[in-house]
Amino acid sequence: AQTVTQSQPEMSVQEAETVTLSCTYDTSESNYYLFWYKQPPSRQMILVIRQEAYKQQNATENRFSVNFQKAAKSFSLKISDSQLGDTAMYFCAFRTSGSRLTFGEGTQLTVNP
Amino acid sequence: KAGVTQTPRYLIKTRGQQVTLSCSPISGHRSVSWYQQTPGQGLQFLFEYFSETQRNKGNFPGRFSGRQFSNSRSEMNVSTLELGDSALYLCASSLGGTGSSYEQYFGPGTRLTVT
Repeated sequence: AQTVTQSQPEMSVQEAETVTLSCTYDTSESNYYLFWYKQPPSRQMILVIRQEAYKQQNATENRFSVNFQKAAKSFSLKISDSQLGDTAMYFCAFRTSGSRLTFGEGTQLTVNP
Repeated sequence: KAGVTQTPRYLIKTRGQQVTLSCSPISGHRSVSWYQQTPGQGLQFLFEYFSETQRNKGNFPGRFSGRQFSNSRSEMNVSTLELGDSALYLCASSLGGTGSSYEQYFGPGTRLTVT
């Protein structure tokens, strides 16, 4: 069974600074996909970034980037130039070939002005 | 393109009743997945439907069931409601081919409260 662990229940950062959210996972699969989702107070789950395990290059989406360490089974999210609108719960998620997502416990990120 | 819609957005039911939640996927999406989100258990996968067939199922009791219609709209039903069924129920749609990296897009959720 796959598991996803986010060891930081809460984090805070000052506006315009950089923050890194951690995620580790466990799987015996060789082909899989990793995602970071954001859930603001509206509860709408929004995809932030995704990474295919077969790609060595780390994914980047504007201010969001990941550090994917396949051997260590680590998948951290870096948010640069943090904005107030980044305040949300962030979930790391894992998926193999099907549609079933396995989520971590979440990290509540607060961006302070 | 319209996003994933879920109805109703809020629902209050009494223990022992049953409830039906609806999810309309993004146009052209054939896969619909359902998730339960609670403070204690987090986000848990309920089931996935693709082309009107249940393709994957999570570890939930038989009181939780679902179906998908030919237009890809999906419903989930919970019978004999228990207090622990109080949760945010999220639906997600995707193009859904197997072995694909298709992204899942989530709806706003239905907040179910069981009293």
